[in-house]
Amino acid sequence: EIVLTQSPATLSLSPGERVTLSCGASQSVSSSYLAWYQQKPGLAPRLLIYDASSRATGIPDRFSGSGSGTDFTLTISRLEPEDFAVYYCQQYGSSPYNFGQGTKLEIK
Amino acid sequence: QVTLRESGPALVKPTQTLTLTCTFSGFSLNTSGMCLTWIRQPPGKALEWLARIDWDDDKYYSTSLKTRLTISKDTSKNQVVLTMTNMDPVDTATYYCARISLIWFGATHAPMDVWGKGTTVTVSS
Repeated sequence: EIVLTQSPATLSLSPGERVTLSCGASQSVSSSYLAWYQQKPGLAPRLLIYDASSRATGIPDRFSGSGSGTDFTLTISRLEPEDFAVYYCQQYGSSPYNFGQGTKLEIK
Repeated sequence: QVTLRESGPALVKPTQTLTLTCTFSGFSLNTSGMCLTWIRQPPGKALEWLARIDWDDDKYYSTSLKTRLTISKDTSKNQVVLTMTNMDPVDTATYYCARISLIWFGATHAPMDVWGKGTTVTVSS
């Protein structure tokens, strides 16, 4: 079973800043089958990135993903006010398809 | 347009069995490459993956919960049902269903691309 660890748990930043979120896997994620989701309070998660680096439909290009094996990152090049939310990584290469514990982006 | 809607009891007592239904439209679980999954989120906590069922009736379960979970589908009704036995207050959560479309992503593995709004379940006597 693959365990995903996200860091940091919380980040305090200002609009306009660049941010990188990390997701580490306890073992290699098959074929980089890793996704990133954004969740805002009271709403269901939204798919941002799949296959580690492909943006989902309608996702702005300020969001980018990278990584392979056991180390993955989500970068937001320039934070917009609507980007302050919780971000989860998830691997879908092998069951169980676990999530990380999330990183909360909060406004400084 | 693809939509999913979760339904079930808002309140269950400890030791009872929870039955949740995901009713979907815009796709069919009879179609090769379509899958549906359940996820939950306790208040203020992280997402937890629970179970998945595929078009060919393959099923996958959370390691820690597999003895308590059963997932099934009724393709004639466009519904997927999740049952969880022996409910406990720690199972209080919002429960989501989400679609996985291997066809849309043109792959053998795909993320959850469309989610329902979730249904909140409280376990209390």
